[in-house]
Amino acid sequence: DAGVTQSPTHLIKTRGQQVTLRCSPKSGHDTVSWYQQALGQGPQFIFQYYEEEERQRGNFPDRFSGHQFPNYSSELNVNALLLGDSALYLCASSFQGAYEQYFGPGTRLTVT
Amino acid sequence: EDQVTQSPEALRLQEGESSSLNCSYTVSGLRGLFWYRQDPGKGPEFLFTLYSAGEEKEKERLKATLTKKESFLHITAPKPEDSATYLCAVQDPRLELVFGKGTKLTVNP
Repeated sequence: DAGVTQSPTHLIKTRGQQVTLRCSPKSGHDTVSWYQQALGQGPQFIFQYYEEEERQRGNFPDRFSGHQFPNYSSELNVNALLLGDSALYLCASSFQGAYEQYFGPGTRLTVT
Repeated sequence: EDQVTQSPEALRLQEGESSSLNCSYTVSGLRGLFWYRQDPGKGPEFLFTLYSAGEEKEKERLKATLTKKESFLHITAPKPEDSATYLCAVQDPRLELVFGKGTKLTVNP
C-alpha cells in the first residue's frame, strides 16, 4: 500500500520566483491538507482540499494557493517567494478530513 | 483560539530510563488528539489518536493517555532508536490539526 508521496524532495528558488509542490494521497484517501514546518517548530496548517475545493484555510496569505485533481492528488503553489517561505512543506491525506492524517516525507524549500 | 503546549522542549534519557512527555491543550470541541513521531528532515509518522478523556492506547514501549486538558506520552524502558521529536496535535470541528512545537527526545545507550 503506497503511502503519501511528495515531489520534489528538495527545491532551491530565488526571492520573487514561483514554486509548485505536488502530493499524491494514500490509497483510499480523498482529502489533502498542506502544512508548513519551520525549523524547530511544529507544522502549521495552510489549507485543506476536499472534492476539489478548498475547504479550510489557515493564516497564510493569498500567495499560497492550491488545487486538487479528480484523482485526489494536489498541488501547492507559492507566488512571489520570500526568504521566510524557506521551510519543510508537508502534505497529509485522510478520509473526508476526519480521523487520522498521514503525512508524506515533505519537500524542503530553500529561498535564496 | 486552539492552543497546544508541549513540555519539556527537550529530554535526555539513559537507555531503560522511563519517563513521560506532556501535551496541554485548549480547543473548542475536541475531535481528536494525535501523537506523531518525527525524525530529522522527515514527515511526521502517525502513532496514536485519542478521542475522549480516560482513553489509553499502547504501542510497543509507548502509551498515550488523555484527560480533559492534557495528554501524556509515557515511554517505558526506552531504546536509542526511540530518539526523535514527538509532536502532539489537536483536531477541532474545522478538521484542522493544530500542533505543538514538539519534545525532542534523546535516548543515550
